[in-house]
Amino acid sequence: QKEVEQDPGPLSVPEGAIVSLNCTYSNSAFQYFMWYRQYSRKGPELLMYTYSSGNKEDGRFTAQVDKSSKYISLFIRDSQPSDSATYLCAMNYGNKLVFGAGTILRVKS
Amino acid sequence: DAGITQSPRHKVTETGTPVTLRCHQTENHRYMYWYRQDPGHGLRLIHYSYGVKDTDKGEVSDGYSVSRSKTEDFLLTLESATSSQTSVYFCAISESEGWVTEAFFGQGTRLTVV
Repeated sequence: QKEVEQDPGPLSVPEGAIVSLNCTYSNSAFQYFMWYRQYSRKGPELLMYTYSSGNKEDGRFTAQVDKSSKYISLFIRDSQPSDSATYLCAMNYGNKLVFGAGTILRVKS
Repeated sequence: DAGITQSPRHKVTETGTPVTLRCHQTENHRYMYWYRQDPGHGLRLIHYSYGVKDTDKGEVSDGYSVSRSKTEDFLLTLESATSSQTSVYFCAISESEGWVTEAFFGQGTRLTVV
């Protein structure tokens, strides 16, 4: 079993929709929970990270962590075609990051 | 982009040949990482470095070696390339002490082993 599970999609939504991306994990030692965005043929870039259970908002993006269920989510409001990318969840173990498989998101105009 | 340069960006090589990929940073970050990215697997850690000449294995280190003789350079060597090592390789850097939260990635090297 992988430490971090993420549905690879692809997920296709119309412009303006609310998008929900999710990951589950098995290692209780993970401390920080991150979301990276990766455009085609580019390296991943950090979107946001959270430490504790609860919500963190940044513009149209909201990250949610439920440590009791070992479940994290990223919500994108008012999705735009420019949001089309692969979204990878990541969690850290000391100085190492463990990534999910990534979910391909396509926002149709 | 953070000051990370990977070279080469694309390479085709034959089975059994050694291959070296280079990662160069201008940020003076302590931590450097090599990941490979494959469909369905996401990013998997190959090796990482926490200082000059200080390296450790990651999740998928078999068949790979690394060296870091200078802060700015981290080399990944495929000792005898196999078709299963066809992948996109990413270098990343981080300045985090303790628990890493943000890593900056290079543009990737697309390696094909034929």
